[in-house]
Amino acid sequence: EAGVAQSPRYKIIEKRQSVAFWCNPISGHATLYWYQQILGQGPKLLIQFQNNGVVDDSQLPKDRFSAERLKGVDSTLKIQPAKLEDSAVYLCASSPGRDRGNQPQHFGDGTRLSIL
Amino acid sequence: LAKTTQPISMDSYEGQEVNITCSHNNIATNDYITWYQQFPSQGPRFIIQGYKTKVTNEVASLFIPADRKSSTLSLPRVSLSDTAVYYCLVVPYSSASKIIFGSGTRLSIRP
Repeated sequence: EAGVAQSPRYKIIEKRQSVAFWCNPISGHATLYWYQQILGQGPKLLIQFQNNGVVDDSQLPKDRFSAERLKGVDSTLKIQPAKLEDSAVYLCASSPGRDRGNQPQHFGDGTRLSIL
Repeated sequence: LAKTTQPISMDSYEGQEVNITCSHNNIATNDYITWYQQFPSQGPRFIIQGYKTKVTNEVASLFIPADRKSSTLSLPRVSLSDTAVYYCLVVPYSSASKIIFGSGTRLSIRP
């Protein structure tokens, strides 16, 4: 089966600009996650969708970050305006079925964002 | 949420068995223990998951003692390609949104 697809792989922007990332999860996976991974740290969950509904966005900086999952398939994550501290890799993951801790997550290879 | 503690780094040699131990003293009854592997410029990859005793798959074994306050990931006969960061996670069954990645263990394999 095809894995989680993310684009672009790399993005360089200046601070205060906006940027968007796209994720296509594994076909049929109901749950989708966006993570932020700063260099040298483990991934941090930003938002979780179950189909097209938000399950948890408690760690999403809502003043500048937004995410949507139209039709319960693809998802986009947007940052507007970007700050220097947003430089990180943004990872998308998906899992089948309902939101359960024993469901392994399948990760894409991420988008590396650099803010100048 | 159960916090995990694991070594920051480990070194080993090709052909050796590597054991990475993770401490999770306040694990809850319904928590699962999950390990991920991450190579540079890639997303984490699920390795193995367990609830109690021993679990084995084609890649690794996971040993969990009866009190479940720790777990050990065992990689048999490692190769250079096993050089990666390994994350131990304790995840509540009720929701994967409570998943917390620590800084992981950076495993370096030498020839």
